[in-house]
Amino acid sequence: QQQVKQSPQSLIVQKGGISIINCAYENTAFDYFPWYQQFPGKGPALLIAIRPDVSEKKEGRFTISFNKSAKQFSLHIMDSQPGDSATYFCAASIEAAGNKLTFGGGTRVLVKP
Amino acid sequence: DVKVTQSSRYLVKRTGEKVFLECVQDMDHENMFWYRQDPGLGLRLIYFSYDVKMKEKGDIPEGYSVSREKKERFSLILESASTNQTSMYLCASQGSPEQYFGPGTRLTVT
Repeated sequence: QQQVKQSPQSLIVQKGGISIINCAYENTAFDYFPWYQQFPGKGPALLIAIRPDVSEKKEGRFTISFNKSAKQFSLHIMDSQPGDSATYFCAASIEAAGNKLTFGGGTRVLVKP
Repeated sequence: DVKVTQSSRYLVKRTGEKVFLECVQDMDHENMFWYRQDPGLGLRLIYFSYDVKMKEKGDIPEGYSVSREKKERFSLILESASTNQTSMYLCASQGSPEQYFGPGTRLTVT
């Protein structure tokens, strides 16, 4: 049973466009929602994270939107660049339970120049 | 700078072999994790350790065991490798609350 569902599996966007990746979760006890970025041959690296007490968090061109009632959160990449081509994973955890991350299935993003 | 290293980038083993994957972190973190990564399934937790000699099963522990004799080192053991254990294996070390990942070991079992 996949507790965090991520869509789409892959995404192609033109340079300068907006990339949108969606995640839905089931466990209402989750209280930490990070996004990881993974380049080929590398391990995932934390990109941005949000907690459920805020509805949006922005860092540069990357924004997380969070909808607690719908149990959904999404990553928006504004002004997408070829260097953003990577696989993106959403995740969720319960901080009081040791922050074991439950990951979504991943989205492979390709930004065409 | 944070560093998590894994003993091998690529590994090819035969069915039935015992396989050791090692992970070392230099951040004095207590929590360490082993995941496997498969296309479309994301990262799935195999085992984690929250202190030396302490370990807990993750979501898919069958066929694996772990060892943590020193704080900085966390080993994943495949007692008798099988073809369905062909995968990318990722180790992570946890700060608060961020997890830092190693580069991964791509294991092929033939």
